[in-house]
Amino acid sequence: DTGVSQDPRHKITKRGQNVTFRCDPISEHNRLYWYRQTLGQGPEFLTYFQNEAQLEKSRLLSDRFSAERPKGSFSTLEIQRTEQGDSAMYLCASSFAGTFYNEQFFGPGTRLTVL
Amino acid sequence: QQQVKQSPQSLIVQKGGISIINCAYENTAFDYFPWYQQFPGKGPALLIAIRPDVSEKKEGRFTISFNKSAKQFSLHIMDSQPGDSATYFCAASISGNQFYFGTGTSLTVIP
Repeated sequence: DTGVSQDPRHKITKRGQNVTFRCDPISEHNRLYWYRQTLGQGPEFLTYFQNEAQLEKSRLLSDRFSAERPKGSFSTLEIQRTEQGDSAMYLCASSFAGTFYNEQFFGPGTRLTVL
Repeated sequence: QQQVKQSPQSLIVQKGGISIINCAYENTAFDYFPWYQQFPGKGPALLIAIRPDVSEKKEGRFTISFNKSAKQFSLHIMDSQPGDSATYFCAASISGNQFYFGTGTSLTVIP
């Protein structure tokens, strides 16, 4: 399978715990995006990388959220001290910057439940 | 503040009918307007996209109509099929950087 993959697909955690999600983009894609999607809403942009550089992070929801893409390949999204309001689907997408339409390919998402 | 406003929230169409979903935006710097289709438990998938230098783009049964002066764009699904039943999102972006999504339209096509 050469699509975007995310791990884990589901995560249940207790309030106050830290969680980390992984995204593996399509191999030739240099851009990687993280989104949050809550029930009945559209994806909400969080941050994105071009290669290993994080080009936008002002829309991360709070300082509890951080993302890395250390070698320009896979990325991780970490949420520290989780709160019940963090329960959502976390989506990753990748694209190749420079194509005319910059088509994003989304992964299946990681569903987080904070108890 | 919602950068992209989408309507209707839900839509029921008979098989063979036309489904129309509308979106509006304010930021004139947006230069890329994609539409995504999402099935339950899946990530969104790109359907069709348009740049503001054209007023219409058609791919198969899917057409985007774009009105730059009104800052509106819409998705038309011709000959709607039960398999089109899904949630549709419009979005807008500046040069493929940050993307802003609408709130989604749940489409149900009745056989």
